[in-house]
Amino acid sequence: DTGVSQDPRHKITKRGQNVTFRCDPISEHNRLYWYRQTLGQGPEFLTYFQNEAQLEKSRLLSDRFSAERPKGSFSTLEIQRTEQGDSAMYLCASSLGGRDSYEQYFGPGTRLTVT
Amino acid sequence: AQTVTQSQPEMSVQEAETVTLSCTYDTSESDYYLFWYKQPPSRQMILVIRQEAYKQQNATENRFSVNFQKAAKSFSLKISDSQLGDAAMYFCASYNSGGSNYKLTFGKGTLLTVNP
Repeated sequence: DTGVSQDPRHKITKRGQNVTFRCDPISEHNRLYWYRQTLGQGPEFLTYFQNEAQLEKSRLLSDRFSAERPKGSFSTLEIQRTEQGDSAMYLCASSLGGRDSYEQYFGPGTRLTVT
Repeated sequence: AQTVTQSQPEMSVQEAETVTLSCTYDTSESDYYLFWYKQPPSRQMILVIRQEAYKQQNATENRFSVNFQKAAKSFSLKISDSQLGDAAMYFCASYNSGGSNYKLTFGKGTLLTVNP
């Protein structure tokens, strides 16, 4: 396994459209995280999964955002009715469970531009 | 809640010289980790070094070392013998290992330029 992968790497969409991003974690990692990084800021936590269960969601995750991890492997992050403020880099990370979960491995990110 | 502050938006260093990046944090937890991550331009974030809060000894990874001052809640990164490949955005981050929230909390980052 070569690491966390994300698809697509870049997405340009028009305001009001829906977009979906995919994250494939490192295969033996049962925890998966989504972060959002806007220009000039550090990544901010959005949500995380333990296997297929979504255990925490940030208040940043409005009702237009939904994330799934249906079989505890890959995850998708969907944004409905995109707004210009959604333009950001969306980062996925994965980790082992237990106390080793501090070691989070990041993917290359999906850069979203909403026009 | 945890907060992480990086007060240096940009830093520059001459190749082969030493540079120190600053970070302060705030947490009410007793069990936590601190990290420095490197994010090169258009490339993914990688972990540079980590420090367990219960350890008094400062972590070292080759040319990278930290100065962890627990009482002052300070966690600086020293890069020795700087190389052109060290140019990147550096993020300080904290992680609360004692609770059920497994998120990383990041600072805003410091953009490091290495001059040849």
